[in-house]
Amino acid sequence: KAGVTQTPRYLIKTRGQQVTLSCSPISGHRSVSWYQQTPGQGLQFLFEYFSETQRNKGNFPGRFSGRQFSNSRSEMNVSTLELGDSALYLCASSLAAVGETQYFGPGTRLLVL
Amino acid sequence: QKEVEQDPGPLSVPEGAIVSLNCTYSNSAFQYFMWYRQYSRKGPELLMYTYSSGNKEDGRFTAQVDKSSKYISLFIRDSQPSDSATYLCAMRRDNFNKFYFGSGTKLNVKP
Repeated sequence: KAGVTQTPRYLIKTRGQQVTLSCSPISGHRSVSWYQQTPGQGLQFLFEYFSETQRNKGNFPGRFSGRQFSNSRSEMNVSTLELGDSALYLCASSLAAVGETQYFGPGTRLLVL
Repeated sequence: QKEVEQDPGPLSVPEGAIVSLNCTYSNSAFQYFMWYRQYSRKGPELLMYTYSSGNKEDGRFTAQVDKSSKYISLFIRDSQPSDSATYLCAMRRDNFNKFYFGSGTKLNVKP
């Protein structure tokens, strides 16, 4: 079974631009969570989508948004990029059933100049 | 106070040593506990997954959960240079699909 895939793997943007990241979960997984990982802050939870609905949300500004499609694929958008948005963005999928864990993709490394 | 605390290290050990990695947590509702391994510039990879208290062994890895102390551990026996990575603990509540992560411990196993 194929793992979680994320595209693109690397991105370079400039301040003020916007960016869209994509995540395809493991087949059959309906929950997709997004995380931001930086050396200083570690892994920080952005949001979780299940069946096209945002179920959980972390403590990030409204510039960070996401959505999920009917095939469970998810996108994350960051508008008006700031230098501090440079990070590894990780997507994780799970069955979201009781007791299930989540599996991570390789991440998208975003550099904001 | 963070819900999950983990010593960031780095932890440096010689090859063949037994490694002990630990996390503490504050929320007694956590029921599921995980350890992930993350190599540099890669996504985290699930290593161990346990439910409630007790031990779980998989090859050279043993995960231990002590809910009374709110303390979890990962032991690595006969450590290898290929074990050099950052180890993240994670946990979740029952019926709630949100995961809480430690900040990660960087491990370096010297040949």
